[in-house]
This record gives sequence, C-alpha cells and structure tokens, in this order.
Amino acid sequence: EDQVTQSPEALRLQEGESSSLNCSYTVSGLRGLFWYRQDPGKGPEFLFTLYSAGEEKEKERLKATLTKKESFLHITAPKPEDSATYLCAVHTGGFKTIFGAGTRLFVKA
Amino acid sequence: DTAVSQTPKYLVTQMGNDKSIKCEQNLGHDTMYWYKQDSKKFLKIMFSYNNKELIINETVPNRFSPKSPDKAHLNLHINSLELGDSAVYFCASSQEGYTDTQYFGPGTRLTVL
Repeated sequence: EDQVTQSPEALRLQEGESSSLNCSYTVSGLRGLFWYRQDPGKGPEFLFTLYSAGEEKEKERLKATLTKKESFLHITAPKPEDSATYLCAVHTGGFKTIFGAGTRLFVKA
Repeated sequence: DTAVSQTPKYLVTQMGNDKSIKCEQNLGHDTMYWYKQDSKKFLKIMFSYNNKELIINETVPNRFSPKSPDKAHLNLHINSLELGDSAVYFCASSQEGYTDTQYFGPGTRLTVL
C-alpha cells in the first residue's frame, strides 16, 4: 500500500537553530514529490517539486532533497515567521496524490 | 487577484441537510481537485476533474458529488450531511495532471451539528 510518513510530528526550534524535516515514502512509481507550507486557517502553499533521486531545490532558508526512499526539508537559521505546518505530498503512477500528516514547526524568537 | 477561491469560508448546518461548496480558479488550469482535511490535519484527495471529466474518484460516499459547469469551476455538493462530514474542504487546481504543482484555495470549514 502506498504510504507517506512525515517526522517528527512537531518540532520546536529556537530562532537560528537549523534542523531538518523528514518525509519517507513507499509508493508504486514516484511521479513527483512536493513540499507545501500550510499556515493556520489557510490552504497549503507550494514550496518545491522534486522528481528524481539526487535532486535538490533551495528557496531562502529552505532546501529540499530527495533520495529513492525519502525527502528532507532542511531549514537553515529559521525565523519565527517560518513557523507553520510543512506537508509532503507524493504523486504516484496510479495518478494519486498522497499527503503526509505534516510536521508542525514552531520557531521561538 | 485570488487564484483559487472558495465560498463559503464557513458552513454550519444540521445533520441531514444538503449543502454545496463553490470553487473557482482564474489560473487557466485544466485540472481541479477537492480535498478533505480532517481534525488530524490529514489531507485526502476526494475528486479530480480534467476538462470537465472525472479522472479519479476516491472511496468517498456517493452523497458527495462534484459538479463542473466549466473548466474554471468545480463545485462540491453534499447530500444528507452526517456528523463525520465535519472537516475543512480544500479546492485546488493544476496546469495539467497530477505531476504539476497544485494551487490551493483558502478552504471551507464545514461543521455538521
């Protein structure tokens, strides 16, 4: 069964304390892996798309990487405004979109 | 300009009622989706429409019916609402199919009493 698991469920960081979020997946045919950010009361906002193992994408303090089994979202020197839920989603060959449960990030000033 | 919009933002109703949620996108995208986000924040895809044709239909009750009058609109109609239908419903759209970036609306919080 296709599955996407994100860890940790919640992560509390001090401002400037770098860390990583994990998204591990077991799917029958990866067509793409997406990272989204979701703020409370809002819809998910697109961050990155990764299509093949070894691919990396960067945007400001965020960097996403992809292997054959997992993806990492690295956050460098986070700021309080980075606090949000980060969602990982996998598109499969079965034309399905499977979301992970998300990681809630809290960054304290 | 709002890319993907939904109405209403909040919907409170009684069990057994029928309700609709509207979605519109002004991005010129070919594919639109409906997702359900439960209390644990899990997003699950419900429907997908491409050029007015239903592509996938996950195992949702047939009380839920998507209706697409044109490429820019995908409405969600729900019959005989149940307590378990309470959730946040998100509409999304993408340029082409599933491998494309999806742009989400702000969500509709449905509460069934």
